[in-house]
Amino acid sequence: EVQLVQSGAEVKKPGESLKISCKASGYSFTNYWIAWVRQMPGKGLEWMGIIYPGDSDTRYSPSFQGQVTISVDKSITTAYLQWSSLKASDTAMYYCARLPSGRYPNWLDPWGQGALVTVSS
Amino acid sequence: EIVLTQSPGTLSLSPGERATLSCRASQSVTSNYLAWYQQKPGQAPRLLIFGASSRASGIPDRFSGSGSGTDFTLTISRLEPEDTAVYYCQQYGSSPLTFGGGTKVEIK
Repeated sequence: EVQLVQSGAEVKKPGESLKISCKASGYSFTNYWIAWVRQMPGKGLEWMGIIYPGDSDTRYSPSFQGQVTISVDKSITTAYLQWSSLKASDTAMYYCARLPSGRYPNWLDPWGQGALVTVSS
Repeated sequence: EIVLTQSPGTLSLSPGERATLSCRASQSVTSNYLAWYQQKPGQAPRLLIFGASSRASGIPDRFSGSGSGTDFTLTISRLEPEDTAVYYCQQYGSSPLTFGGGTKVEIK
């Protein structure tokens, strides 16, 4: 079974750094793109960026370029989303999701359970 | 980037009724590469439809997708109480991936 399991909820202060994770299992990790999607409280879905674990090819949405960093560790089949300096406006639920093939762009399936990030002083 | 506009914002219907959700694109979606997702309260989104009309694995046949070019529709033929959710469309014909703003379906 293909599964994406995300790290737990985080509470951080503005200016702090953070790295959240997405552990993949049940398939060949290096052959499928993984995407990150933001959902702010009570709002819709926003695509942040995508990474191909095979060669770490990474693409960012223009809205998130320079704001976050997406990476992978192939040895532990895990993708990451990180911030160097959080802002209150980063408060949101963050989802990782796999693309169904090596083709990008594509639909997203399955999704991780989400990681809630709260940034507050 | 392709902007997707979903309507209506909220749909309130009774069990057994038919729900029709619209997703309109600002420009033609390449090869009808459009997907629909269901997000129930407190849950992650779940893929319902890809390629505008192909049902994902395990999705009941009361869910169907149609459309092409710039106009797409998700139809729920006979609403059930568990269909209460927000439904999003997403295009993957061109980068960046974009989502519609969602339609909330409420069951009376």
